[in-house]
Amino acid sequence: SAVISQKPSRDICQRGTSLTIQCQVDSQVTMMFWYRQQPGQSLTLIATANQGSEATYESGFVIDKFPISRPNLTFSTLTVSNMSPEDSSIYLCSVAGLAGVLEQFFGPGTRLTVL
Amino acid sequence: AQTVTQSQPEMSVQEAETVTLSCTYDTSESDYYLFWYKQPPSRQMILVIRQEAYKQQNATENRFSVNFQKAAKSFSLKISDSQLGDAAMYFCAYRSAAGKSTFGDGTTLTVKP
Repeated sequence: SAVISQKPSRDICQRGTSLTIQCQVDSQVTMMFWYRQQPGQSLTLIATANQGSEATYESGFVIDKFPISRPNLTFSTLTVSNMSPEDSSIYLCSVAGLAGVLEQFFGPGTRLTVL
Repeated sequence: AQTVTQSQPEMSVQEAETVTLSCTYDTSESDYYLFWYKQPPSRQMILVIRQEAYKQQNATENRFSVNFQKAAKSFSLKISDSQLGDAAMYFCAYRSAAGKSTFGDGTTLTVKP
């Protein structure tokens, strides 16, 4: 299995500012994903973080708003830029591609509130 | 694109009883994987059970089992001898061979003592 940590666990931010969320995995993984989840709702994939190249964004998400870095196989960051109250959500880091393991593993999430 | 449908937003079960959560999916792929994940109120998602599409035998993990009907594109989860700790939101997920997952909208399970 993989143990994933996220920082910060929660934050309250002002409109117009930016927040960077960090995701650290205890194993090298081939795939890292960033999701957004409203409480009590399903997960929406924001992007796939690619090591050494630009992230692959899903429809409705753009790099200027959600820049992502992945410098190595165990670490990634997601920045939520120029925040508005609509960005208030839980942001989840997830990984897949451990050798011989099919499922995804999820981080504990970052609860973001934008005032 | 693949879609995953969980038609039961909420389900309730009496402690020690059995409950079945339904999931259907739509795909044109032949090689894929199906999962049930559990998200307790503390919000960290954990795997409950997995099924490879090429396997005909239904997966079982202790009190959790699935009914996988490939032709019908159905993948239901049965929880036997329900426990209070089973209360959570359950997500059905489809993962393509390429690695990207699609999640259903979730079913909130309440376990009554």
